[in-house]
Amino acid sequence: DADVTQTPRNRITKTGKRIMLECSQTKGHDRMYWYRQDPGLGLRLIYYSFDVKDINKGEISDGYSVSRQAQAKFSLSLESAIPNQTALYFCATSDFLLAAHTGELFFGEGSRLTVL
Amino acid sequence: EDKVVQSPLSLVVHEGDTVTLNCSYEVTNFRSLLWYKQEKKAPTFLFMLTSSGIEKKSGRLSSILDKKELFSILNITATQTGDSAVYLCAVEGGSGNTPLVFGKGTRLSVIA
Repeated sequence: DADVTQTPRNRITKTGKRIMLECSQTKGHDRMYWYRQDPGLGLRLIYYSFDVKDINKGEISDGYSVSRQAQAKFSLSLESAIPNQTALYFCATSDFLLAAHTGELFFGEGSRLTVL
Repeated sequence: EDKVVQSPLSLVVHEGDTVTLNCSYEVTNFRSLLWYKQEKKAPTFLFMLTSSGIEKKSGRLSSILDKKELFSILNITATQTGDSAVYLCAVEGGSGNTPLVFGKGTRLSVIA
């Protein structure tokens, strides 16, 4: 099983619908992130959380919200989806202690969202 | 605002060629620079660099950092079709509580 699991992996929805993307991890990491990837634009940070009570906006948080339900779970919501939110979404984790040495992120397999 | 610029944005080479991918950055309190390879799915970690002039090497891939000129290069020698991917550069700055900032990536296509 993957250490960082995203659901759903693919979703097609209509404009105005509420969508939730879920992420769970078994790595025991304290830090979790949501990134969005569009062709030619790299990875852009939406929200991040360093522990259960911590939520921080990233570069492109407008139109999104998150919930850190537990250390292992971090969900991303689109309250009213619009077509320009069509993208590939990645959840990632890191560990505070490991980050001090490597800064490395561990990614889920991605959730491809299409908003019609 | 922290910034990472990668060049070229895309590159097509023939098998056996050597390629150099570039990453320049502007970041407050530089801590590290990371390279990732992304094929069809999630990015996978290649290297982390923190010190200037020390080459990191893994097989045909190598990378080096120049903290004075604020850039890094990723070299791939004797390219293979399996090297086709998007290569992402990311920089960590701040106090260790600042998320990575990614560049737009370089899409490398290796043709037989």
